Amino acid sequence: EIVMTQSPATLSVSPGERATLSCRASQSVSSNLAWYQQKPGQAPRLLIYGASTRATGIPARFSGSGSGTEFTLTISSLQSEDFAVYYCQQYNNWPPLFTFGPGTKVDIK
Amino acid sequence: EVQLVESGGGLVQPGGSLRLSCAASGFTFSDHYMDWVRQAPGKGLEWVGRTRNKANSYTTEYAASVKGRFTISRDDSKNSLYLQMNSLKTEDTAVYYCARSGLWDDSSGYYLHDYWGQGTLVTVSS
Repeated sequence: EIVMTQSPATLSVSPGERATLSCRASQSVSSNLAWYQQKPGQAPRLLIYGASTRATGIPARFSGSGSGTEFTLTISSLQSEDFAVYYCQQYNNWPPLFTFGPGTKVDIK
Repeated sequence: EVQLVESGGGLVQPGGSLRLSCAASGFTFSDHYMDWVRQAPGKGLEWVGRTRNKANSYTTEYAASVKGRFTISRDDSKNSLYLQMNSLKTEDTAVYYCARSGLWDDSSGYYLHDYWGQGTLVTVSS
């Protein structure tokens, strides 16, 4: 089973700054990787799939890159509404159908 | 507007059973694959299982941690998804989300989670 890791566990960023989040897979997942945002008390929201394709309605400040085992989510200029936990999810190797990373919390510096 | 509303959560003793429901609206439920995903308190997300649509014979997939104990079903006439949970363990304590798998990713051939409900809390404790 693939193991997903994310770093850092917590990222402290000032509004307007750039945030770079990393996700690593224990074996190649090709480009079959998604990113989700979750705010406290809310359900996750799909941001990115296919490693770099923004989901419908997602602002251009969110971008994804990478393939194989190393992936990055970049938020170019953090807005107040972007402070949340971000999860990566692989859907290349199964079982199971989906594996999530442990998450990166982006909080206000 | 797509809406998914879970219900049926609560407190249950270890070894007990519980049935969760997810009421769907705002889309053609019968066309879509549907999943359950859970989140233990203060923890990350764990995929629980999937039911495919009628065109794909309503086949199901489960995570190893719940296989043989949990059963996913659906009633397309009621636009509803269910999760029957038996032989519950303390480690099954979590918020359970239903999620529509409605986004087709061409390159992988996967349906991805595009809409989620707000979740229902299941607590397994004596």
